[in-house]
Amino acid sequence: EDQVTQSPEALRLQEGESSSLNCSYTVSGLRGLFWYRQDPGKGPEFLFTLYSAGEEKEKERLKATLTKKESFLHITAPKPEDSATYLCAVRVASSGSARQLTFGSGTQLTVLP
Amino acid sequence: DTGVSQDPRHKITKRGQNVTFRCDPISEHNRLYWYRQTLGQGPEFLTYFQNEAQLEKSRLLSDRFSAERPKGSFSTLEIQRTEQGDSAMYLCASSLGTRLNTEAFFGQGTRLTVV
Repeated sequence: EDQVTQSPEALRLQEGESSSLNCSYTVSGLRGLFWYRQDPGKGPEFLFTLYSAGEEKEKERLKATLTKKESFLHITAPKPEDSATYLCAVRVASSGSARQLTFGSGTQLTVLP
Repeated sequence: DTGVSQDPRHKITKRGQNVTFRCDPISEHNRLYWYRQTLGQGPEFLTYFQNEAQLEKSRLLSDRFSAERPKGSFSTLEIQRTEQGDSAMYLCASSLGTRLNTEAFFGQGTRLTVV
C-alpha cells in the first residue's frame, strides 16, 4: 500500500531561522510529488510539483527537492506569514489510482516574530 | 474569481438528515475530485470525475454517499442519513486533463458538523 509520512508533525521556528520539512514515501511508480500549503479553515494551496529524483523547484523562501525515497521542503529565513500546515502528496501509476493524490498528515509550521 | 468554488462553506445538520454540497471547478478543467479531511490529517480521496463520468470511487465512499457531475460542469456530493462520523471538511479539487502528471487546485471546502 502506498504510504506518505511527513516529519516533524509540528515545527516552531524563530523568524529568520531556516529549516527543512521532510516527506518520505513508499510507492510504486511515482507519477508526481506535490507540495501544498494549508491555512486553518481553508483548502490546500498548490505550491510545487516534482516528477523525478534530482529535481528542484523554488518559490520565494521555499525550495522543494526530490530523491527516490523522500522530498524536502526547505524554508529559508521564514517570516510569520509562512506559518501554515504544509502537506505533501503523491500520485502513483498503479491500477485504479492513476488520478488520485495520497496525502501525508502534514507538518504544522509556526514562525514566531 | 477563477478558482474552485464550494457551497456552502459551513453546514450543521442533525444526525439522520441528508445534506448536499456543490462544487464549481475552474472552467476549463475536465477533471474533478472530492476529498474528505478530518482534523490533523491530510485529505483522503473520495471520488474522481473526468468530464461527466465518475471513474474512481474510494472504499471510504459508502452507499450513503453519492456524487454527480451532470454535463461535466459543476458537481454535487450528497450524504444521506448523516452520522456523527461524517463530520469533516469536504474538499473539491479540479485539474486539466492534458497529461497524467498535473496539479490539482482545491476549493475552500465545506465544513460539515453532524450533531
